[in-house]
Amino acid sequence: SAVISQKPSRDICQRGTSLTIQCQVDSQVTMMFWYRQQPGQSLTLIATANQGSEATYESGFVIDKFPISRPNLTFSTLTVSNMSPEDSSIYLCSVEEREGLRNEQFFGPGTRLTVL
Amino acid sequence: GQQVMQIPQYQHVQEGEDFTTYCNSSTTLSNIQWYKQRPGGHPVFLIQLVKSGEVKKQKRLTFQFGEAKKNSSLHITATQTTDVGTYFCAGPKTSYDKVIFGPGTSLSVIP
Repeated sequence: SAVISQKPSRDICQRGTSLTIQCQVDSQVTMMFWYRQQPGQSLTLIATANQGSEATYESGFVIDKFPISRPNLTFSTLTVSNMSPEDSSIYLCSVEEREGLRNEQFFGPGTRLTVL
Repeated sequence: GQQVMQIPQYQHVQEGEDFTTYCNSSTTLSNIQWYKQRPGGHPVFLIQLVKSGEVKKQKRLTFQFGEAKKNSSLHITATQTTDVGTYFCAGPKTSYDKVIFGPGTSLSVIP
């Protein structure tokens, strides 16, 4: 199973600034995702990070606000731009492993973001 | 679009009691996955069910996938304090679709 690390684990940021979150996987993976989880809530998919091409964003999320990079099969970054207090949340990187009919997702430890 | 619901939202049980959470999708699912998230932690994959009517057990946990592949349940026998956390079901419409997560059921176990 994939082992995922995220940096930073937490941060407190000022309104209007940007934060870049890094996600590193210990093996090459095709499918990599970024989720947001607000306190006590479920997981909301922000985008699928595609290697070598632009990320695929879900409804309600746009590239200008959440630019994503995926330079290779083991690394991705998510930037939260021009932050406001509403962006305070946990941001989780995830990878999917598929083998035949089996597919499961592994999550990073998350980045807890507080915007003042 | 596809929606996945779970009930109950919260459940408080005495240690030793049983617990069940139910998951319902608005569309047929290719498979159903269950995840557990401990307080302060990240979601951890528990199991995947693929076949209609499938039942799988992991020690005190029993997972079931409905015949119509639109609902699922997780049953925990004789809960322990280590079972505390939020249980999420998730599933894609087809094996090529993204996985949609349910809202989760938060379980508290009173010692």
